Amino acid sequence: AQTVTQSQPEMSVQEAETVTLSCTYDTSESDYYLFWYKQPPSRQMILVIRQEAYKQQNATENRFSVNFQKAAKSFSLKISDSQLGDAAMYFCAYRTLNNDMRFGAGTRLTVKP
Amino acid sequence: GAVVSQHPSWVICKSGTSVKIECRSLDFQATTMFWYRQFPKQSLMLMATSNEGSKATYEQGVEKDKFLINHASLTLSTLTVTSAHPEDSSFYICSARVSGGINEQYFGPGTRLTVT
Repeated sequence: AQTVTQSQPEMSVQEAETVTLSCTYDTSESDYYLFWYKQPPSRQMILVIRQEAYKQQNATENRFSVNFQKAAKSFSLKISDSQLGDAAMYFCAYRTLNNDMRFGAGTRLTVKP
Repeated sequence: GAVVSQHPSWVICKSGTSVKIECRSLDFQATTMFWYRQFPKQSLMLMATSNEGSKATYEQGVEKDKFLINHASLTLSTLTVTSAHPEDSSFYICSARVSGGINEQYFGPGTRLTVT
């Protein structure tokens, strides 16, 4: 079974600084997708960034980037120039093309002004 | 992007009653919908997967007779919590998948259920 592990229950960052959230996963598949979702207090799941496993290049979306290490099964999220609005729960997720999405336990990010 | 709605956004019901939650894909057809449950400060746990016109597939430990799922059309899935009890109080999130390409999955805003 595929599992997703987020080892950091809570993280804190100073506004304008950079923070990295960790995620590892376990799978025997070669083709899959990895995601980072943000869940603010409204509880709406917001897609932050997506990585296709067959792509070697790390995905980037403005201030958000990932470090995808396929051999190590690691998928960390880097948030640069942190803003107060980045404060939320962040979930790492995995799925294959036709299967459901599986989530890690989440990391609560606090941004200090 | 595609929009998934849920109704109601919150509901309070008395113990022993049933409550229905609707999930709709507003601008796309979803052959597959997923229902998740999220307890406070915890992750999303998949309850069941439903395909249009077929019976839902439930995850281990989820009571299919208690959580009735109907996926009657390509834009609507419903979750009915039957004979609700206080321990069923939780946040329920649906998700709909678009067929084609990478089969993108979109999430609804969730429904907060409180059973008194």
